[in-house]
Amino acid sequence: DIQMTQSPSTLSASVGDRVTITCRASQSISSWLAWYQQKPGKAPKLLIYRASSLESGVPSRFSGSGSGTEFTLTISSLQPDDFATYYCQQYNSYSPQNTFGGGTKVEIK
Amino acid sequence: EVQLVESGGGLIQPGGSLRLSCAASGFIVSRKYMNWVRQAPGKGLEWVAVIYSGGSTYYADSVKGRFTFSRDNSKNTLYLQMNSLRAEDTAVYYCARADGDHGMDVWGQGTTVTVSS
Repeated sequence: DIQMTQSPSTLSASVGDRVTITCRASQSISSWLAWYQQKPGKAPKLLIYRASSLESGVPSRFSGSGSGTEFTLTISSLQPDDFATYYCQQYNSYSPQNTFGGGTKVEIK
Repeated sequence: EVQLVESGGGLIQPGGSLRLSCAASGFIVSRKYMNWVRQAPGKGLEWVAVIYSGGSTYYADSVKGRFTFSRDNSKNTLYLQMNSLRAEDTAVYYCARADGDHGMDVWGQGTTVTVSS
């Protein structure tokens, strides 16, 4: 099974900061990676799919990059609404395998 | 409006059974890959099961043989039959639509399952 490892697990930042979250796969997943944002008591929200494609309606300060085994989610200028937990997920249209990373909580510094 | 609404959660004793429902509106579930994802209290997301548009189902090892994912096309509704429930199955259960290579783009609000004596 493919394992997904996110780092850091917690991140303290201030409004306006540039924030980067890393996700590593235990084997190559090409670009089959999505990023989600989750706030307490709410369902996850899709931000990025296919590693770097921005979901419709998601602010452009969010961006994704990477392929193979290493991926990043970047928030270019952190806004108050961005304090949340972020998850990466590997998926594949040709395989039922879905695995989420352990999550990164972005906290107010 | 595209929407998923889960129901059926509750408190159940270990070894018991429960059936979750996920009613879809605004799209046809049989044309999409549909998933169940769960989140234990204070923990991360765990994929549980998928049903493909053709009807094939796949499960996480943690639930294989105990959970069954099905759908009723006439009602545009999905079901997760959960048998032999364990304390570690306690979680919020979400149904989520996967749209091709798009990831899981539509999620329900979740339904809570608590397995405890």
